[in-house]
Amino acid sequence: GENVEQHPSTLSVQEGDSAVIKCTYSDSASNYFPWYKQELGKRPQLIIDIRSNVGEKKDQRIAVTLNKTAKHFSLHITETQPEDSAVYFCAATSGGSYIPTFGRGTSLIVHP
Amino acid sequence: DTAVSQTPKYLVTQMGNDKSIKCEQNLGHDTMYWYKQDSKKFLKIMFSYNNKELIINETVPNRFSPKSPDKAHLNLHINSLELGDSAVYFCASSQNKGNYGYTFGSGTRLTVV
Repeated sequence: GENVEQHPSTLSVQEGDSAVIKCTYSDSASNYFPWYKQELGKRPQLIIDIRSNVGEKKDQRIAVTLNKTAKHFSLHITETQPEDSAVYFCAATSGGSYIPTFGRGTSLIVHP
Repeated sequence: DTAVSQTPKYLVTQMGNDKSIKCEQNLGHDTMYWYKQDSKKFLKIMFSYNNKELIINETVPNRFSPKSPDKAHLNLHINSLELGDSAVYFCASSQNKGNYGYTFGSGTRLTVV
């Protein structure tokens, strides 16, 4: 089955800095890669996703890149703000199973 | 207009009791899920239903029984609760069982004492 590794587990940045969270996956057939943000005590929310036929996708201050050859994908947040503080989860969905495999999460702390 | 609503939000109960969590979605999605989030935040799939039919049943104790009366509802009944069942349980839905993002419910924090 699919295996997703997510790094770092904790990331601390100053407001205005950029933050990058990286994930690797094992199944070359995986073709859908969503990212979720979970604020403290709240539900996970889909913030951006990318499919395997695309190398990069942007939405305002967030972007996701996908390298299919190396089997890794990354979340980039620019001009971080305190409200970006949350746990971020990556996931990869194999073509053979539509249930995503989640990474273990990255706790992002943005200091004002 | 909550898209995926779960009740109750908090549930504190004694070991050995039976409890249910309800979930409803008004998005018109075909597929619904139950996830368990442990104290380390790991999200683990438990069940998935597509148009009222069970399609994923991961290795969970048979004390957990899902029920989907229609495609907008997916309930979770837990018998003989144990301390290790304490966690946050999230319901979620997606457009289809293909590669679509999830909309999660607000979660039910279950504490077994």
